[in-house]
Amino acid sequence: AQTVTQSQPEMSVQEAETVTLSCTYDTSESDYYLFWYKQPPSRQMILVIRQEAYKQQNATENRFSVNFQKAAKSFSLKISDSQLGDAAMYFCAYRSSGGSGSRLTFGEGTQLTVNP
Amino acid sequence: DSGVTQTPKHLITATGQRVTLRCSPRSGDLSVYWYQQSLDQGLQFLIQYYNGEERAKGNILERFSAQQFPDLHSELNLSSLELGDSALYFCASSVGGQSNEKLFFGSGTQLSVL
Repeated sequence: AQTVTQSQPEMSVQEAETVTLSCTYDTSESDYYLFWYKQPPSRQMILVIRQEAYKQQNATENRFSVNFQKAAKSFSLKISDSQLGDAAMYFCAYRSSGGSGSRLTFGEGTQLTVNP
Repeated sequence: DSGVTQTPKHLITATGQRVTLRCSPRSGDLSVYWYQQSLDQGLQFLIQYYNGEERAKGNILERFSAQQFPDLHSELNLSSLELGDSALYFCASSVGGQSNEKLFFGSGTQLSVL
């Protein structure tokens, strides 16, 4: 079974600075998807960014980018120019690409605080 | 707004009781997923339905059951409730239930078992 580990329960960053959230995963599969979800106090789960394992290029969405290291099974999220609205719980998630692999396996989450 | 509607938003009940959580997927989405978010277990996949049929099952207790109706809405039934069932229950939907599709999450139902 796949597992996802986020080793940083809490992180903080100053407004306008850059922060990196870590995620590692374990799988024997070669094709899969990785995600970062944001959960603000409203509890809504919001997709931040997605990475396909077969793509070597790291995904980028505006101020959010990932560092995907397939061999190391590492998938970190970099938030640049942090804003107060970025404060939330961030979850890393894994999704297999085939069979009954449409479920998401989530990490434990990292609570991000943005200080003004 | 994700387009996924969950009702009720909050539910308070007692141990031993039975409750039903409802989910209406986005228009056009055929697949519905249920997830449980608790302090002890984190976010866990419970079950997936596609066009009325069960597609995949995760860590769903025998006391829990779900179904997807012909109009594609889904219900999650929780019975013989225990204190440990207190959690935020999410529903998500996608077009066809494939791995490359984006999931759209509802805002959840917060269940408190007293």
